[in-house]
Amino acid sequence: DAGVTQSPTHLIKTRGQQVTLRCSPKSGHDTVSWYQQALGQGPQFIFQYYEEEERQRGNFPDRFSGHQFPNYSSELNVNALLLGDSALYLCASSRTGYHGYTFGSGTRLTVV
Amino acid sequence: EDQVTQSPEALRLQEGESSSLNCSYTVSGLRGLFWYRQDPGKGPEFLFTLYSAGEEKEKERLKATLTKKESFLHITAPKPEDSATYLCAVQAEGNKLVFGAGTILRVKS
Repeated sequence: DAGVTQSPTHLIKTRGQQVTLRCSPKSGHDTVSWYQQALGQGPQFIFQYYEEEERQRGNFPDRFSGHQFPNYSSELNVNALLLGDSALYLCASSRTGYHGYTFGSGTRLTVV
Repeated sequence: EDQVTQSPEALRLQEGESSSLNCSYTVSGLRGLFWYRQDPGKGPEFLFTLYSAGEEKEKERLKATLTKKESFLHITAPKPEDSATYLCAVQAEGNKLVFGAGTILRVKS
């Protein structure tokens, strides 16, 4: 049973560019959340998607946007990249009505 | 504002030397407290969920406990393979998790 799959694993972008990160949730899960983890810090909640809609959002600017597809997979888009956006981006999936969250291995984004 | 504080920031133990990690939290409407293990460059791996004060859960050398203000992760007779960052998180209103900064555990043989 595949867990949460994220792609790509590593990415290097230039300041000002745009980036799209992808996530496939664990089989049977319908909710996807995205987190940003800076080096030496705990993950910070970006937003959550359920039924193809953004249900909850953390304290992140509008440069961060997302999408959920009918097959429950999700994308995270970041526009106008800043050096401070360099981090590990984690996707977590869960099933409605259950409290368990399964995390992917993340995408390491480096902005130069 | 929901907040999670973990201590110590880092902990070095000898193999077999038991200890505890602390997670203090303030949250409006706790829906669950989670412990995760994270290895370098990897995503968090689920360990435990605790829901109410007095609850305890065990898994191999790990035992998690919960009070109204804090949680402890007790590590009994640790081995080098227990070395990792241990993250504590609370689930508050909505479904988001609020994480602490983690405790980096190093166990030497």
